[in-house]
Amino acid sequence: AQSVTQLGSHVSVSEGALVLLRCNYSSSVPPYLFWYVQYPNQGLQLLLKYTSAATLVKGINGFEAEFKKSETSFHLTKPSAHMSDAAEYFCAVTDNTGTASKLTFGTGTRLQVTL
Amino acid sequence: DAGITQSPRHKVTETGTPVTLRCHQTENHRYMYWYRQDPGHGLRLIHYSYGVKDTDKGEVSDGYSVSRSKTEDFLLTLESATSSQTSVYFCAISESGQARNGYTFGSGTRLTVV
Repeated sequence: AQSVTQLGSHVSVSEGALVLLRCNYSSSVPPYLFWYVQYPNQGLQLLLKYTSAATLVKGINGFEAEFKKSETSFHLTKPSAHMSDAAEYFCAVTDNTGTASKLTFGTGTRLQVTL
Repeated sequence: DAGITQSPRHKVTETGTPVTLRCHQTENHRYMYWYRQDPGHGLRLIHYSYGVKDTDKGEVSDGYSVSRSKTEDFLLTLESATSSQTSVYFCAISESGQARNGYTFGSGTRLTVV
């Protein structure tokens, strides 16, 4: 079965610093991969997606991620953190078994941005 | 989120009582999903639907049932709530069965079982 592993349940960066959130996936077939963001007391919002087109994917709010098949990774980056980026981030991979594709989520990484 | 609403937003219930959570969408999407979110576990799939009256189990389906009698509504029922079912429940919808565009999520229902 497909799965994702997010390294680091908490990441703290200074405002203006590089944001790097790690995600490694396991999939027996070419996957679709996603990053979602969750602000407090809200649902999940799609940041970006990889669906086998360009390996460098740009998303909303200045985030991007690079699909690296050789490393089975899909790390999320942002060059300069902003206080408003503080949230929880989830990586997800499609699981195409059964009657419909399902998203399998990682356990999440909480991003803290400090002054 | 626009097009998908969950009700209630918050609920406290007693152990052993039945509870039904509702997900309503106005997007006419065929696929609907129920997830639960717990600290350290991320989101885990409970049940999903691939059409009216067509449902299937996810990875944590024990103790839950679902129904979908019309395209816009997907109900999640806890037949006899237990404290382990205290969680935040999210509904999601997808236009494509391949989940190519990911899901759109509702705002969640926070359920506390006492």
